[in-house]
Amino acid sequence: EDKVVQSPLSLVVHEGDTVTLNCSYEVTNFRSLLWYKQEKKAPTFLFMLTSSGIEKKSGRLSSILDKKELFSILNITATQTGDSAVYLCAVATNSGYALNFGKGTSLLVTP
Amino acid sequence: DVKVTQSSRYLVKRTGEKVFLECVQDMDHENMFWYRQDPGLGLRLIYFSYDVKMKEKGDIPEGYSVSREKKERFSLILESASTNQTSMYLCASSFDPNMNTEAFFGQGTRLTVV
Repeated sequence: EDKVVQSPLSLVVHEGDTVTLNCSYEVTNFRSLLWYKQEKKAPTFLFMLTSSGIEKKSGRLSSILDKKELFSILNITATQTGDSAVYLCAVATNSGYALNFGKGTSLLVTP
Repeated sequence: DVKVTQSSRYLVKRTGEKVFLECVQDMDHENMFWYRQDPGLGLRLIYFSYDVKMKEKGDIPEGYSVSREKKERFSLILESASTNQTSMYLCASSFDPNMNTEAFFGQGTRLTVV
């Protein structure tokens, strides 16, 4: 059975801190790993990773994939209160249409 | 701007009612999905469709059915709503898997069954 595990499940930090969110996976026929940010509405797409070792970056957010060790990290530097959200990790495989989601990491950034 | 639109943000229904949740996408996507999201359980796939009139069960299809009569519209049906179906329901759509693109989500419907 395909499995996607995120850690930690929740996290509280102060504004300006750097955070690292983790996502490990065990799936058959890996295709890609995706990160989403969910505030109190629709998850919005952040990154798609398909190749090991290539960092994707968008502003203060960055992510990297390790296909040998089967994990990805999402880094957020200089956190702001607007970064408070649930961050979802999902894996797509070549043997299915749907994304397999982890349970999410709930991040709270306090002023 | 790409759009997945769910018909209601909030719904309150009584136990035993038949409930329809509607989802429309304007991106000409082949695939459409219904997930439910519960605290501590994450997103779980209920049903998906990869083409008009085609549907496949996801991980938790019991108590649900779906309909896809047109490419842009995917409906989730609760045949007889029960309190354990109180949840956030998220619709998503994506292109064919061979294109390896992300899925786009609707804003969610928070359903309460009383």
